[in-house]
Amino acid sequence: QKEVEQDPGPLSVPEGAIVSLNCTYSNSAFQYFMWYRQYSRKGPELLMYTYSSGNKEDGRFTAQVDKSSKYISLFIRDSQPSDSATYLCAMMIMIKAAGNKLTFGGGTRVLVKP
Amino acid sequence: DAGVIQSPRHEVTEMGQEVTLRCKPISGHDYLFWYRQTMMRGLELLIYFNNNVPIDDSGMPEDRFSAKMPNASFSTLKIQPSEPRDSAVYFCASSFGLEPGEQYFGPGTRLTVT
Repeated sequence: QKEVEQDPGPLSVPEGAIVSLNCTYSNSAFQYFMWYRQYSRKGPELLMYTYSSGNKEDGRFTAQVDKSSKYISLFIRDSQPSDSATYLCAMMIMIKAAGNKLTFGGGTRVLVKP
Repeated sequence: DAGVIQSPRHEVTEMGQEVTLRCKPISGHDYLFWYRQTMMRGLELLIYFNNNVPIDDSGMPEDRFSAKMPNASFSTLKIQPSEPRDSAVYFCASSFGLEPGEQYFGPGTRLTVT
Protein backbone atom coordinates (compact mmCIF):
# COMPACT_ATOMS: atom_id res chain seq x y z
CA GLN A 1 0.00 0.00 0.00
CA LYS A 2 1.31 3.43 -0.91
CA GLU A 3 1.95 5.96 1.83
CA VAL A 4 -0.06 8.58 -0.05
CA GLU A 5 -3.12 7.71 -2.12
CA GLN A 6 -4.70 9.98 -4.71
CA ASP A 7 -7.45 9.28 -7.21
CA PRO A 8 -5.89 9.53 -10.69
CA GLY A 9 -9.04 10.90 -12.31
CA PRO A 10 -9.50 12.33 -14.83
CA LEU A 11 -11.82 14.85 -13.23
CA SER A 12 -13.77 16.84 -15.80
CA VAL A 13 -15.72 19.94 -14.77
CA PRO A 14 -17.33 22.88 -16.59
CA GLU A 15 -15.71 26.28 -16.38
CA GLY A 16 -16.73 28.12 -13.22
CA ALA A 17 -17.36 24.98 -11.19
CA ILE A 18 -15.60 24.11 -7.95
CA VAL A 19 -12.88 21.49 -8.30
CA SER A 20 -12.45 19.23 -5.28
CA LEU A 21 -9.30 17.14 -4.93
CA ASN A 22 -8.13 14.98 -2.07
CA CYS A 23 -5.46 12.64 -0.78
CA THR A 24 -5.30 10.15 2.02
CA TYR A 25 -2.16 9.05 3.78
CA SER A 26 -1.04 6.42 6.24
CA ASN A 27 1.98 7.95 7.99
CA SER A 28 0.81 10.00 10.96
CA ALA A 29 4.28 11.58 11.23
CA PHE A 30 3.70 13.80 8.18
CA GLN A 31 3.69 17.44 9.27
CA TYR A 32 3.65 19.50 6.10
CA PHE A 33 1.20 19.08 3.26
CA MET A 34 1.70 20.53 -0.19
CA TRP A 35 -0.18 20.79 -3.43
CA TYR A 36 1.69 20.96 -6.72
CA ARG A 37 0.31 21.69 -10.17
CA GLN A 38 1.89 20.05 -13.18
CA TYR A 39 1.07 21.07 -16.72
CA SER A 40 1.64 18.61 -19.51
CA ARG A 41 5.34 18.08 -20.23
CA LYS A 42 6.40 20.46 -17.44
CA GLY A 43 7.82 20.03 -13.98
CA PRO A 44 5.59 20.31 -10.89
CA GLU A 45 5.20 23.78 -9.41
CA LEU A 46 4.15 24.51 -5.85
CA LEU A 47 0.65 25.91 -5.36
CA MET A 48 0.51 26.08 -1.59
CA TYR A 49 1.39 24.25 1.58
CA THR A 50 -0.03 23.92 5.07
CA TYR A 51 1.36 22.86 8.39
CA SER A 52 -0.60 20.43 10.56
CA SER A 53 -4.41 20.56 10.56
CA GLY A 54 -6.53 23.46 9.41
CA ASN A 55 -7.39 25.52 6.36
CA LYS A 56 -5.37 27.84 4.19
CA GLU A 57 -6.70 30.07 1.46
CA ASP A 58 -4.83 31.67 -1.43
CA GLY A 59 -6.98 33.38 -4.00
CA ARG A 60 -9.20 30.79 -5.65
CA PHE A 61 -7.41 27.93 -3.90
CA THR A 62 -8.21 26.50 -0.47
CA ALA A 63 -6.26 23.70 1.17
CA GLN A 64 -7.62 21.71 4.08
CA VAL A 65 -5.83 19.24 6.32
CA ASP A 66 -7.53 16.83 8.72
CA LYS A 67 -4.75 14.97 10.51
CA SER A 68 -7.18 12.97 12.62
CA SER A 69 -8.59 11.42 9.46
CA LYS A 70 -5.28 11.50 7.54
CA TYR A 71 -7.06 13.34 4.76
CA ILE A 72 -6.18 16.49 2.84
CA SER A 73 -8.14 18.44 0.26
CA LEU A 74 -7.66 21.16 -2.32
CA PHE A 75 -10.56 23.21 -3.62
CA ILE A 76 -10.39 25.42 -6.69
CA ARG A 77 -13.19 27.96 -6.95
CA ASP A 78 -14.37 29.51 -10.19
CA SER A 79 -12.31 27.04 -12.18
CA GLN A 80 -10.79 28.19 -15.47
CA PRO A 81 -9.60 26.24 -18.50
CA SER A 82 -6.08 27.30 -17.51
CA ASP A 83 -6.52 25.21 -14.34
CA SER A 84 -6.48 22.07 -16.50
CA ALA A 85 -3.44 20.17 -15.25
CA THR A 86 -2.42 17.31 -13.01
CA TYR A 87 -2.51 18.12 -9.30
CA LEU A 88 -0.16 16.28 -7.00
CA CYS A 89 -0.31 16.24 -3.25
CA ALA A 90 2.94 15.86 -1.35
CA MET A 91 3.82 15.42 2.29
CA MET A 92 6.88 15.89 4.40
CA ILE A 93 8.29 15.06 7.80
CA MET A 94 10.42 17.93 9.07
CA ILE A 95 13.51 16.19 10.38
CA LYS A 96 16.87 17.75 9.66
CA ALA A 97 18.45 14.38 8.96
CA ALA A 98 15.75 13.69 6.40
CA GLY A 99 16.14 16.99 4.60
CA ASN A 100 12.87 18.10 3.07
CA LYS A 101 12.15 14.76 1.49
CA LEU A 102 8.73 14.76 -0.10
CA THR A 103 6.38 11.84 -0.56
CA PHE A 104 4.02 12.40 -3.47
CA GLY A 105 0.60 11.12 -4.35
CA GLY A 106 0.10 9.78 -7.85
CA GLY A 107 -1.65 12.94 -9.08
CA THR A 108 -5.18 13.74 -10.25
CA ARG A 109 -5.70 14.91 -13.80
CA VAL A 110 -8.18 17.79 -14.01
CA LEU A 111 -9.86 19.06 -17.15
CA VAL A 112 -11.87 22.28 -17.04
CA LYS A 113 -14.08 22.58 -20.09
CA PRO A 114 -14.98 26.04 -21.47
CA ASP B 1 17.22 33.28 -12.16
CA ALA B 2 16.83 30.74 -14.95
CA GLY B 3 15.49 28.09 -12.61
CA VAL B 4 16.61 24.49 -12.57
CA ILE B 5 18.10 23.52 -15.90
CA GLN B 6 18.06 19.97 -17.21
CA SER B 7 19.55 18.47 -20.31
CA PRO B 8 18.78 16.86 -22.60
CA ARG B 9 15.04 17.46 -22.66
CA HIS B 10 14.46 14.30 -24.65
CA GLU B 11 16.61 11.20 -24.96
CA VAL B 12 15.96 8.14 -27.06
CA THR B 13 18.41 5.29 -26.73
CA GLU B 14 18.67 1.59 -27.31
CA MET B 15 18.66 -0.98 -24.58
CA GLY B 16 22.12 -1.57 -23.18
CA GLN B 17 23.41 1.92 -23.89
CA GLU B 18 24.66 4.31 -21.24
CA VAL B 19 22.49 7.34 -20.55
CA THR B 20 23.61 10.47 -18.71
CA LEU B 21 21.15 13.09 -17.55
CA ARG B 22 22.36 16.48 -16.39
CA CYS B 23 21.10 19.07 -13.96
CA LYS B 24 22.10 22.58 -12.98
CA PRO B 25 20.37 23.65 -9.75
CA ILE B 26 19.33 27.16 -8.86
CA SER B 27 22.34 29.15 -7.70
CA GLY B 28 22.65 29.18 -3.92
CA HIS B 29 20.49 26.13 -3.33
CA ASP B 30 22.13 23.52 -1.13
CA TYR B 31 19.80 20.56 -1.74
CA LEU B 32 19.43 18.71 -5.01
CA PHE B 33 16.92 15.97 -5.72
CA TRP B 34 16.48 13.48 -8.56
CA TYR B 35 12.98 12.11 -9.20
CA ARG B 36 11.50 9.69 -11.69
CA GLN B 37 7.90 9.94 -12.90
CA THR B 38 5.97 7.15 -14.58
CA MET B 39 2.28 6.53 -15.09
CA MET B 40 2.42 3.40 -12.99
CA ARG B 41 4.44 4.64 -10.02
CA GLY B 42 3.95 8.39 -10.07
CA LEU B 43 6.73 10.70 -8.87
CA GLU B 44 9.41 8.87 -6.93
CA LEU B 45 12.46 10.28 -5.19
CA LEU B 46 15.61 8.51 -6.36
CA ILE B 47 18.37 10.31 -4.48
CA TYR B 48 19.12 13.66 -2.92
CA PHE B 49 22.24 15.63 -2.06
CA ASN B 50 23.02 18.23 0.56
CA ASN B 51 26.05 20.44 -0.11
CA ASN B 52 27.12 18.03 -2.88
CA VAL B 53 27.06 15.01 -0.57
CA PRO B 54 24.57 12.18 -1.22
CA ILE B 55 22.29 11.90 1.79
CA ASP B 56 19.70 9.31 0.84
CA ASP B 57 19.91 7.03 -2.18
CA SER B 58 17.37 4.50 -0.97
CA GLY B 59 15.14 5.27 -3.95
CA MET B 60 17.72 4.33 -6.53
CA PRO B 61 16.20 1.25 -8.17
CA GLU B 62 19.35 -0.78 -8.70
CA ASP B 63 23.08 -0.66 -9.26
CA ARG B 64 22.61 0.37 -12.87
CA PHE B 65 21.72 3.82 -11.57
CA SER B 66 24.33 6.20 -10.19
CA ALA B 67 24.33 9.91 -9.38
CA LYS B 68 27.08 12.39 -8.74
CA MET B 69 27.35 15.99 -7.75
CA PRO B 70 30.94 17.13 -8.33
CA ASN B 71 30.17 20.74 -7.44
CA ALA B 72 27.35 22.98 -6.29
CA SER B 73 26.22 23.81 -9.79
CA PHE B 74 26.14 20.45 -11.52
CA SER B 75 24.79 16.95 -11.03
CA THR B 76 24.44 13.87 -13.22
CA LEU B 77 22.25 10.80 -13.14
CA LYS B 78 23.66 7.90 -15.08
CA ILE B 79 22.02 4.66 -16.15
CA GLN B 80 24.32 1.92 -17.38
CA PRO B 81 23.17 -0.28 -19.01
CA SER B 82 19.75 1.15 -19.79
CA GLU B 83 16.64 -1.02 -20.06
CA PRO B 84 13.18 -0.35 -21.56
CA ARG B 85 11.66 -0.23 -18.05
CA ASP B 86 13.82 2.82 -17.33
CA SER B 87 11.67 4.82 -19.76
CA ALA B 88 10.23 7.69 -17.73
CA VAL B 89 10.49 11.41 -17.15
CA TYR B 90 13.37 12.27 -14.85
CA PHE B 91 13.13 15.48 -12.86
CA CYS B 92 15.78 17.35 -10.99
CA ALA B 93 14.76 19.72 -8.20
CA SER B 94 16.68 22.01 -5.88
CA SER B 95 15.98 23.88 -2.68
CA PHE B 96 17.62 26.12 -0.13
CA GLY B 97 17.55 24.72 3.37
CA LEU B 98 14.70 22.77 4.81
CA GLU B 99 11.79 25.12 4.21
CA PRO B 100 8.71 23.13 3.25
CA GLY B 101 7.52 23.65 -0.25
CA GLU B 102 10.75 25.23 -1.38
CA GLN B 103 11.70 22.58 -3.91
CA TYR B 104 11.83 23.95 -7.42
CA PHE B 105 11.59 21.46 -10.23
CA GLY B 106 13.29 21.50 -13.58
CA PRO B 107 11.42 20.80 -16.83
CA GLY B 108 12.43 17.14 -16.84
CA THR B 109 14.17 14.79 -19.25
CA ARG B 110 11.91 12.39 -21.12
CA LEU B 111 13.84 9.16 -21.56
CA THR B 112 12.78 6.45 -23.96
CA VAL B 113 14.73 3.21 -24.05
CA THR B 114 13.88 0.97 -26.99
